[in-house]
This record gives sequence, C-alpha cells and structure tokens, in this order.
Amino acid sequence: QSALTQPASVSGSPGQSITISCTGTSSDIGVYHYVSWYQHHPGKAPKLMIYDVSNRPSGVSNRFSGSKSGNTASLTISGLQTEDESVYYCSSYTSRSTPVVFGGGTKLTVL
Amino acid sequence: QVQLQESGPGLVKPSETLSLTCTVSGGSVNSGSYFWNWIRQPPGKELEWIGYIYYTGSTNYNPSLKSRVTMSVDTSSNQFSLKLNSVTAADTAFYYCARDSAGWYSFDSWGQGTLVTVSS
Repeated sequence: QSALTQPASVSGSPGQSITISCTGTSSDIGVYHYVSWYQHHPGKAPKLMIYDVSNRPSGVSNRFSGSKSGNTASLTISGLQTEDESVYYCSSYTSRSTPVVFGGGTKLTVL
Repeated sequence: QVQLQESGPGLVKPSETLSLTCTVSGGSVNSGSYFWNWIRQPPGKELEWIGYIYYTGSTNYNPSLKSRVTMSVDTSSNQFSLKLNSVTAADTAFYYCARDSAGWYSFDSWGQGTLVTVSS
C-alpha cells in the first residue's frame, strides 16, 4: 500500500476538467507545504507539473493547478486535451524516516 | 535545459552489486544549487526514494536501503552514480536519476529511467 493514496484511474472528455486527489496524513501533506505532482508517460522521463502544493514550473500550462486541504492534496486539469492522457503521481515531504513519499499513481484517460 | 540519462547493466545476478551512472548534460553536478537523487519503481509498485548526493559528496540515504547503498559524484565527468549491493529479486525495478533544485524533495528534472532485473 502506498504512503499516499491516489485513485487508480480517472477519466474525462476533451475540454472538461478533472481533479486527482492525493491523501496523506498529519506526518506529510497535513503539515508540510511540499507537495509535488508529476506527469509520466511510460518510457519517458517524469515531468514536474506542480511543486510546493500550487506552484507551476516554467513552461507548464496554466491548465494545471494544485491545492491542499487538510491531509489531502489535489491536482486539477482544466480544458482536458488528449496529450494530458498519462499517469500522474503525487509526492510529499514527510517527517517519517524517509523524507519523501509518493502516491501509487493515477492513470488519466481522455476519452 | 538540463538532461539526465541513466546507464548501466540491465541484468544483475542475485547477491551481486547493481551499478548505475547518471550523466548530466546542460547543467553541472558541481553546483551548490542542486541535490542529485536516485529513485526506483518496481514494476506495478510505487516510487521509492533511494537517496541523494550533493556536489560536496555529502549523502542522505533511505534508511531502509542505507546499509546497501553507496552514491558518488564525479564532477570531472559530470556524472553521479549509484551502487546497491547484495541485490535480490526485490530490487528489480525501473531506476531513475533526478534533480532536486530546492532541497525539499521536489524533482524538477528526471532521466527516462532504466530497468534493472535481478535474476540468475
């Protein structure tokens, strides 16, 4: 079982918005503002989409946004495009023995 | 734009040592601005942080792997490396090198990964 819990899959139609949740605990998401989201097309390098809960790196579309409430972080993708179809992972800094934990990944299908 | 590329054997025998190198281009490992990390993902399982090395040679390893992990940095070749000894089938995974530019374990550049299989 992953340290952070994500839905296994989500889907949406082009132009719609979807949200992927990432649930942790009071040892990670609940107390730290260091949540990141990654997009991973299999066989390619994962890409940082969001860092520090809601910040976008340069070059990432503003269709991607992040937020946090309590122990749960969320990634929202608006105006879905076919190229958004990928696997998305969340991560968080943590006070546990290992300093960073990841979610199990969510496969986004754009129908 | 920095690029990272993993290299090394794709097959390692049980009890032997897994050795991987990450070559950095478009940036320098000899920079105090970055932490150079290794992360792995067994097929069908979650990502696991292995550890990082700083340009000074300072390291921080995952406690669950610490007894078997050694990382090094070669500033002349602009590379950093991972050695994992006494491997078992449980170490079969995609291994990724990644850069953390903020020090809070947010990885802004990754290699595409390399599959290492532990099998006799």
